Amino acid sequence: GQQVMQIPQYQHVQEGEDFTTYCNSSTTLSNIQWYKQRPGGHPVFLIQLVKSGEVKKQKRLTFQFGEAKKNSSLHITATQTTDVGTYFCARGGSDYKLSFGAGTTVTVRA
Amino acid sequence: DGGITQSPKYLFRKEGQNVTLSCEQNLNHDAMYWYRQDPGQGLRLIYYSQIVNDFQKGDIAEGYSVSREKKESFPLTVTSAQKNPTAFYLCASGSGTLFNYNEQFFGPGTRLTVL
Repeated sequence: GQQVMQIPQYQHVQEGEDFTTYCNSSTTLSNIQWYKQRPGGHPVFLIQLVKSGEVKKQKRLTFQFGEAKKNSSLHITATQTTDVGTYFCARGGSDYKLSFGAGTTVTVRA
Repeated sequence: DGGITQSPKYLFRKEGQNVTLSCEQNLNHDAMYWYRQDPGQGLRLIYYSQIVNDFQKGDIAEGYSVSREKKESFPLTVTSAQKNPTAFYLCASGSGTLFNYNEQFFGPGTRLTVL
């Protein structure tokens, strides 16, 4: 399927700092979803973005969908140890399918 | 977890053996999916099913087979033809329509190791 590229692959963050992870596509996205997978766990849905320029917040997490609908970002403020895990973006395609990016793995230094 | 169960959690098999991974959901979702996850990689789609008695190949279907005889169940068989079967297998279900995607709910996964 058509790919979404996530950068960076790894993010090492000092507790209390902010960071951003990005999801990019060469083609227009109809929608983008974000999932979080804790170490040893399974992916859990965080949010879906559909509209151009859309911004959604969940506590310390801010999700954005680009104006051209070719990229998305996840920004976390004041990182905590509970933020550890891998964050995946996924694009919706035909036939109910999602295509997942390779993920950004976040570690936190206390 | 989240209405989707997978069993077993850990599975060991000898090279050359077929093995079947179980996936059951009680969320009344029409669509079900199987993904494979390898270290440092995202989720790759093996097979998916939009409705009972119908399923389609995903991106890496070679060496795998599935069935969808009941809405609640979507077992995956890893055959001896799969050259590198050691991986973490995740089952998911979802209720989206063709152009209105809803989230996918994942099971806890089965970690398969070929000895």
